[in-house]
Amino acid sequence: DADVTQTPRNRITKTGKRIMLECSQTKGHDRMYWYRQDPGLGLRLIYYSFDVKDINKGEISDGYSVSRQAQAKFSLSLESAIPNQTALYFCATSDFGASGRNEQFFGPGTRLTVL
Amino acid sequence: AQSVTQLGSHVSVSEGALVLLRCNYSSSVPPYLFWYVQYPNQGLQLLLKYTSAATLVKGINGFEAEFKKSETSFHLTKPSAHMSDAAEYFCAVSDGNTDKLIFGTGTRLQVFP
Repeated sequence: DADVTQTPRNRITKTGKRIMLECSQTKGHDRMYWYRQDPGLGLRLIYYSFDVKDINKGEISDGYSVSRQAQAKFSLSLESAIPNQTALYFCATSDFGASGRNEQFFGPGTRLTVL
Repeated sequence: AQSVTQLGSHVSVSEGALVLLRCNYSSSVPPYLFWYVQYPNQGLQLLLKYTSAATLVKGINGFEAEFKKSETSFHLTKPSAHMSDAAEYFCAVSDGNTDKLIFGTGTRLQVFP
């Protein structure tokens, strides 16, 4: 079984709809992240969480919110989706340790299309 | 603030040829650097990482990268390309205080027979 799972894998929605992307991990990691990937822009950080009570905005948090329901679960919500939120979304996790040294482990991604 | 620049959004090589993907970084603190690979329709997978130990880092699938502080570079190389190496490659730098990663814009590698 995959260590980091994301649901759904693909989603098409309409402008103005609320949508939630879910991420679960079995790696036992404290830290979780949400990124979006756009062609030619690489990955950009939306939100990150170092534990259940610690949630922080990333580079591009406007229009998004998150919830850390448990150590293993981190959800990303689009309260009112708009077409420029069409992108590939990745969840990632990392272990607590010597800061900056730890690799992140990525889920398979959710392809979101907002019409 | 940290940043990463990947020169060349597309690189094409013949099977068996040298692969060279370029990455330059900017960091106000000693950097931790990473190369990730993304195969079609998959998430990112770590190829290798530099965390201030040896400057020549060996990774999976025959890839390696050399940290050159004087050139602020961390280029990725592989002596002989294989068809299965076709993918998108991302260089990333850690911000030094947390595990937050700053990614480059990626380089798509094509391998021709």
